[in-house]
Amino acid sequence: DGGITQSPKYLFRKEGQNVTLSCEQNLNHDAMYWYRQDPGQGLRLIYYSQIVNDFQKGDIAEGYSVSREKKESFPLTVTSAQKNPTAFYLCASKQRGLGGELFFGEGSRLTVL
Amino acid sequence: GNSVTQMEGPVTLSEEAFLTINCTYTATGYPSLFWYVQYPGEGLQLLLKATKADDKGSNKGFEATYRKETTSFHLEKGSVQVSDSAVYFCALSRRNYGGSQGNLIFGKGTKLSVKP
Repeated sequence: DGGITQSPKYLFRKEGQNVTLSCEQNLNHDAMYWYRQDPGQGLRLIYYSQIVNDFQKGDIAEGYSVSREKKESFPLTVTSAQKNPTAFYLCASKQRGLGGELFFGEGSRLTVL
Repeated sequence: GNSVTQMEGPVTLSEEAFLTINCTYTATGYPSLFWYVQYPGEGLQLLLKATKADDKGSNKGFEATYRKETTSFHLEKGSVQVSDSAVYFCALSRRNYGGSQGNLIFGKGTKLSVKP
């Protein structure tokens, strides 16, 4: 079945460590997105990519980095510069263009100890 | 700028009750509007959408009408079930955002709990 796979589902990290969250899609979508979800704050956009080898900062990119070397993969690195990294991270994808449906992965919950 | 405002939850209803979750938006131009649902421990799923004024989106007994005059997209269901317990997000498409086109702005979410 086509879909988006995020891993790991749960991740614990010590302060000062970088961690990378994986996102893979087999929907042949061009655009991919990373959102952060905090209780009572909805979803906020971290980074997005419309095409391979290109990506753009979203609303809260500080302390995060991404790469888009392959169409199906869009990993997110949470760096030690991110001041409050404990959150639920959601990856999504869609076809390029106006409107359209975002397809989401099941999320990765990162806890910094 | 563009924004989405949802009624705050949590909303607790008995099974078969009528549901309304309010959503209003501020946007330039004419965005598309969406409702997404998130079940516990999962990602979001598209519930319904409307792409222009007066359009009605519907799915699984849920409905929402794109009201341009009141800038609203309220979610309704005539008879809720326990299985509808989830968090519901209203969203609008953000066009020409750094060239992304189709990027979404989400409301803060409304948690619905349905009791048997």
